[in-house]
Formats: sequence, structure tokens, C-alpha cells
Amino acid sequence: DGGITQSPKYLFRKEGQNVTLSCEQNLNHDAMYWYRQDPGQGLRLIYYSQIVNDFQKGDIAEGYSVSREKKESFPLTVTSAQKNPTAFYLCASSRNPRATNEKLFFGSGTQLSVL
Amino acid sequence: RKEVEQDPGPFNVPEGATVAFNCTYSNSASQSFFWYRQDCRKEPKLLMSVYSSGNEDGRFTAQLNRASQYISLLIRDSKLSDSATYLCVVNGKGYSTLTFGKGTMLLVSP
Repeated sequence: DGGITQSPKYLFRKEGQNVTLSCEQNLNHDAMYWYRQDPGQGLRLIYYSQIVNDFQKGDIAEGYSVSREKKESFPLTVTSAQKNPTAFYLCASSRNPRATNEKLFFGSGTQLSVL
Repeated sequence: RKEVEQDPGPFNVPEGATVAFNCTYSNSASQSFFWYRQDCRKEPKLLMSVYSSGNEDGRFTAQLNRASQYISLLIRDSKLSDSATYLCVVNGKGYSTLTFGKGTMLLVSP
């Protein structure tokens, strides 16, 4: 079955530590996205990538980094510079980011908490 | 004006009720509109796209008013399983980004 796989489901970070969230898709989608969701808030875009080896900052990129070395994979690193990392992180993909009415497909999310 | 603004909720309704959610957006150039459903601690899932002429999918009806920059979702004959948060989503600054509202929580009780 095609889909998006995020891992781990739960992740704990110690202060000063970098952690990496995994996102893999086998939908052959060109575009991939990382969103952050805080309780009672909408999803906010961290980074997105429309093509391999290229990515763009979203609205809240500070303290995060990404890579897109393969079409299928878009890992997110939460660096020690992100002072408030506790949130629910969602990875998503879309087939053609330039098409209108393009739908997003989401992974099941990673809950990151600070120890 | 916030980019995408939704009714704050929560909406508490009995089974069988009809409930309507409203959403306004600020970018008059927006072209794509969606309603997503999100269960607690789960990923959002597409409920329906919203088309200019309005569209219906079973008990769900979506309407778009471009002049007022307003989107609505109507749920008829509410079921317990409809309890969730409903997210209004609009394409925002560019082709490849969507802007999410904060969501409106619906609680359907027996």
C-alpha cells in the first residue's frame, strides 16, 4: 500500500540535543512538507521541498533543518537552537505542487517532547 | 485579518443535528479550498475539496463565496463518529503551500 511513514511515533529530546524525525513516502510525489502543530493551533509550515536537492523555508524554519537527497525521503532535524520543540510534527506530500486543487497526504505524526 | 479564520468552537450537538462551520480567508487570489478532518492526536485527512459551485458528499455540503472570501461546511444528521476537529485549508502564499485554520472541534453526543 502506498503512503507516508513517519518515525518514531514518540520522541524525547534532552536539552541541547539534536534529534531527527524520519519521513518516507512511496507515492512517487514530488513535493514534501513538514508541519508543526501545537495544542489548539493550526498547522504551521516549517520547510517544504518541491524537488530532490531543493527545499524552501516555511513560516517557522528557525531551529530546524532538512535535506532532500532522495525523492522518497525528507528528514527533519530539530536542532538545539529550537528552544520550544515540544509539538506534534506532521510530514505530508503532494503529487504536483504547482497544480491547483492539489491535496496533501499526511503521515501519522511524531510527538516530540523535551525531557 | 488572519489568513484563515474559523469559528472557535467547540460545537456540542446531539446525534441527528445539523451543524454548520464557517471559515474566512484573507488572500483574494486563493484558488484551492479544502475541509480536512483531524481526530485527536492523529493526522488530518481530507474530507472534501470545495468548489465554486458548491459540492455535496453524502451528509456533507461545502460552499464557497469568493466575493465574501467565505467557506462553509454543513453536516446533516450528525453521527457520534463525526466528533473531530474540522480544519479549513486554503492555498496561501504560493502554489505549493497551504494555510490551515486552527480548526473547529465538533462533539456529537448520544
